[in-house]
Amino acid sequence: EAGVAQSPRYKIIEKRQSVAFWCNPISGHATLYWYQQILGQGPKLLIQFQNNGVVDDSQLPKDRFSAERLKGVDSTLKIQPAKLEDSAVYLCASSPRAGRDSPLHFGNGTRLTVT
Amino acid sequence: AQSVTQLGSHVSVSEGALVLLRCNYSSSVPPYLFWYVQYPNQGLQLLLKYTSAATLVKGINGFEAEFKKSETSFHLTKPSAHMSDAAEYFCAVSGGGAQKLVFGQGTRLTINP
Repeated sequence: EAGVAQSPRYKIIEKRQSVAFWCNPISGHATLYWYQQILGQGPKLLIQFQNNGVVDDSQLPKDRFSAERLKGVDSTLKIQPAKLEDSAVYLCASSPRAGRDSPLHFGNGTRLTVT
Repeated sequence: AQSVTQLGSHVSVSEGALVLLRCNYSSSVPPYLFWYVQYPNQGLQLLLKYTSAATLVKGINGFEAEFKKSETSFHLTKPSAHMSDAAEYFCAVSGGGAQKLVFGQGTRLTINP
């Protein structure tokens, strides 16, 4: 099966600019996640979708970050305006269901550098 | 709430030697525990998972981990290291309802020839 697809792989922007990341999960996977991985740290959950509804966005900085999952398939994550501390790898993951034992399948991530 | 502590941000072993990566967790409910591996410029890949069945869990690439409730630990081991094992390893816990995974800080494994 095809894996989780993310684009772009790399993005460099200046602070206060906006940026968007795209994710296409594995076909049939109902649950989709966006994680932020800062250099030297473990991934931190930003938002979790079940189909096209938000399950958990408690750690999403809503003043600047937004995410949507139209039609319960693809998802986009946007940052506007970006800050220096947003430099990180943004990982998208999907799983067949939301159960605790259902493993996550990760994409290769988008590396964002904010200058 | 749940959390994970990985002891040692960097572990270095010789090829053929035992690999031991340490993970301790905290969870207010019986945890599900996972080990993921991340190769450079790639996403995370599942190595193994514990979901309340057998306490000794076998994973891919010869790795295994043992769940010890009394020690709140889930250490990852491999009897004989291979050069291809060099990567970043993450322990994660799921203690909440809708599968909220909390990751540790990661341990970078280096294999010396």
